[in-house]
Amino acid sequence: GAGVSQSPSNKVTEKGKDVELRCDPISGHTALYWYRQSLGQGLEFLIYFQGNSAPDKSGLPSDRFSAERTGGSVSTLTIQRTQQEDSAVYLCASSPSDSRSEQYFGPGTRLTVT
Amino acid sequence: QKEVEQNSGPLSVPEGAIASLNCTYSDRGSQSFFWYRQYSGKSPELIMSIYSNGDKEDGRFTAQLNKASQYVSLLIRDSQPSDSATYLCAVTDYKLSFGAGTTVTVRA
Repeated sequence: GAGVSQSPSNKVTEKGKDVELRCDPISGHTALYWYRQSLGQGLEFLIYFQGNSAPDKSGLPSDRFSAERTGGSVSTLTIQRTQQEDSAVYLCASSPSDSRSEQYFGPGTRLTVT
Repeated sequence: QKEVEQNSGPLSVPEGAIASLNCTYSDRGSQSFFWYRQYSGKSPELIMSIYSNGDKEDGRFTAQLNKASQYVSLLIRDSQPSDSATYLCAVTDYKLSFGAGTTVTVRA
């Protein structure tokens, strides 16, 4: 079946612009996660959605970052007033049940802020 | 103390040898344990899951779990150059936590 999809695959933007990154999880998966991975670094948790519950936003690095998940499916991560330190690969993952189950990752969006 | 710690690597093994990857975790109540493989420039891919003490084998991969020692490992038998990647250990406490990864290079 179809896996997690993300768009765009690459995004180059100028410092100060806003960007939107999209994630389409595996059909039927109730949990959705966003991570950030800088070059050569580990996964940095950003935000977690579980069903209709309030999201866990504890990993968002600043108030310039926000995310929403519409209809329990597609999610959008928005970064306002981008900075060069926001350059990274943004990964989305979904899992079939709660936060203790396995996660399946999308291909990621490589964001470059110039 | 980090929630999930992996041996720092990089780990270099000759083709055909066994690669041994180790992971320790801090939450004694953790229930689910996973190994992911991440090729350079790609996203993590789930390769093994283990939930109970003992060994679990899948092809050339064996995961070992010891909850009393709070230790999970991954063995790669008959290592191939295609196994060269970073391996991430992931453990649940109240959410899935990832280790920093161990980079494995298999020398032909």
